[in-house]
Amino acid sequence: QVQLQESGPGLVKPSETLSLTCAVSGYSISSGYYWGWIRQPPGKGLEWIGSIYHSGSTYYNPSLKSRVTISVDTSKNQFSLKLSSVTAADTAVYYCASLSYSSGFDYWGQGTLVTVSS
Amino acid sequence: DIQMTQSPSSVSASVGDRVTITCRASQGISSWLAWYQQKPGKAPKLLIYAASSLQSGVPSRFSGSGSGTDFTLTISSLQPEDFATYYCQQANSFPLLTFGGGTKVEIK
Repeated sequence: QVQLQESGPGLVKPSETLSLTCAVSGYSISSGYYWGWIRQPPGKGLEWIGSIYHSGSTYYNPSLKSRVTISVDTSKNQFSLKLSSVTAADTAVYYCASLSYSSGFDYWGQGTLVTVSS
Repeated sequence: DIQMTQSPSSVSASVGDRVTITCRASQGISSWLAWYQQKPGKAPKLLIYAASSLQSGVPSRFSGSGSGTDFTLTISSLQPEDFATYYCQQANSFPLLTFGGGTKVEIK
């Protein structure tokens, strides 16, 4: 059973960089699969942020592309999200998930709330 | 970019009702569509992939259909645990993905 767990600061100041990590257990990232980040502002819908393949190839939502960096650390079996120049509009629950080409986001972390405020 | 539009945005229904939710893509996506269920405070759960394939462990009262631009999620007999928000997600441009805006299924 694949398990994912997000971690990182719950409060980020405006204009700073949001950094989150997703630790994966029950599966070796280097074995394959895609991995993704999704966010959900309070009371709103889901927004795909970006995805990364185990090889390191990255794919980003065009609306966030200029501010997003996703990376993978196979030695620690985890992948990370950095979102720069944050504003209050980036306040959301951030989820990490495993992404299958054939089926979609099949395993999810529990999510972590990140608030952007001074 | 492929846009996904769900309708209705909310629906009120009773236990035992048949509920149908629609998702429309801005361009053809073949059968590259998934459906998710999300309960308050929880992560989404994959229900259906490839438009009509039931994810392992999902009750058979859930079904999906459609191809091209128009898709439906049907709950044949609504159960108390089915009150939630449902999202569609296209994967035609995998791994560039888009979610629909969501449909909230509420108790009538």
